[in-house]
Amino acid sequence: QQQVKQSPQSLIVQKGGISIINCAYENTAFDYFPWYQQFPGKGPALLIAIRPDVSEKKEGRFTISFNKSAKQFSLHIMDSQPGDSATYFCAASGRGSTLGRLYFGRGTQLTVWP
Amino acid sequence: NAGVTQTPKFRVLKTGQSMTLLCAQDMNHEYMYWYRQDPGMGLRLIHYSVGEGTTAKGEVPDGYNVSRLKKQNFLLGLESAAPSQTSVYFCASSYPTRGGELFFGEGSRLTVL
Repeated sequence: QQQVKQSPQSLIVQKGGISIINCAYENTAFDYFPWYQQFPGKGPALLIAIRPDVSEKKEGRFTISFNKSAKQFSLHIMDSQPGDSATYFCAASGRGSTLGRLYFGRGTQLTVWP
Repeated sequence: NAGVTQTPKFRVLKTGQSMTLLCAQDMNHEYMYWYRQDPGMGLRLIHYSVGEGTTAKGEVPDGYNVSRLKKQNFLLGLESAAPSQTSVYFCASSYPTRGGELFFGEGSRLTVL
């Protein structure tokens, strides 16, 4: 059973546009929602993360929107740039027997055209 | 500061052969993980360790074994490789108090013929 569902699988955006990637979860024990960015040939790296006590977190051009009641969260990339072209993974983790264990979505391959 | 280092970066095996992937981290992290990444499947947890001498199964542990004899090292073993184990393997580590913030290595690409 997939713990975190991510969409779309791929996304093509023009330079300067807004990229939006969505994720949904079922487990109400999740309390930490990070996004990871992965460039070809590299390992994923933490981009931005949010906890459910806030509805939005912004870091530069990257914003996470969080809807606790709907159990959904999304990544918005404003003024998308070709350098943002990468695979993005949403994830979730929660309190339980194993702190730090992340459940990943299946990823979104973002292409930003110049 | 090297972070998380994986060796080897590439390997080709024949079905039935065995091999070990090595992960080393220099950040004094308690937790270490092995993930596999397949197209369209995201990152799936194979095994993880919450401390030296301890290991636990993740989502897809079958066909793999692990050991954590030293805090800084986490080994992933394939005793009898199968074509279904063709994948890119990522090791990661984290502080237990930082929750889900993982630091990943650059991956090991394994092909099983």
